[in-house]
Amino acid sequence: DQQVKQNSPSLSVQEGRISILNCDYTNSMFDYFLWYKKYPAEGPTFLISISSIKDKNEDGRFTVFLNKSAKHLSLHIVPSQPGDSAVYFCAASGDGNKLVFGAGTILRVKS
Amino acid sequence: KAGVTQTPRYLIKTRGQQVTLSCSPISGHRSVSWYQQTPGQGLQFLFEYFSETQRNKGNFPGRFSGRQFSNSRSEMNVSTLELGDSALYLCASSISGGLYEQYFGPGTRLTVT
Repeated sequence: DQQVKQNSPSLSVQEGRISILNCDYTNSMFDYFLWYKKYPAEGPTFLISISSIKDKNEDGRFTVFLNKSAKHLSLHIVPSQPGDSAVYFCAASGDGNKLVFGAGTILRVKS
Repeated sequence: KAGVTQTPRYLIKTRGQQVTLSCSPISGHRSVSWYQQTPGQGLQFLFEYFSETQRNKGNFPGRFSGRQFSNSRSEMNVSTLELGDSALYLCASSISGGLYEQYFGPGTRLTVT
């Protein structure tokens, strides 16, 4: 039972355009959401997070949107750069300790 | 400041054997969490240790166990290996277990033949 789903295994975007990565969750107890980026042969690195009391959080080129009623969050990267090419994981938590991850989306930014 | 280190980086084992993986957290970090990453499954939480005590546990069989030492270094053990245990095993450390403060190591790639 996957409580966090990233339904797009991969996404290809032109450099300079917007990348939108989506994530759906089923557990209404989740109250904290994070995005991680992972390059090959490296561990995931924290990118941006959002609490369920907010619907948007922005950090530079990265913005995360949360739609609680739809149990959906998305990560927007604007403008996309070739260095953004990586696997992006969405993660959620409801107890402040344990993270539940999605399967990841491979983003390829073409120059 | 040195990052999270994991040893070994690559490992090949045979079905039925056991394996021990090691994780050294960032200096000063007392929480270590372990995850299993397989294609199509993302990262699945195994367990978390804090101050030598297991604080949280995921839904994995008892063949998966861990421990943490007084210097916060952690080991994960998998006994009676199965082909399905082939995965990338990641550990993450944080000062006290805060989710947004987790720093991941590069992982140990385990292949079971």
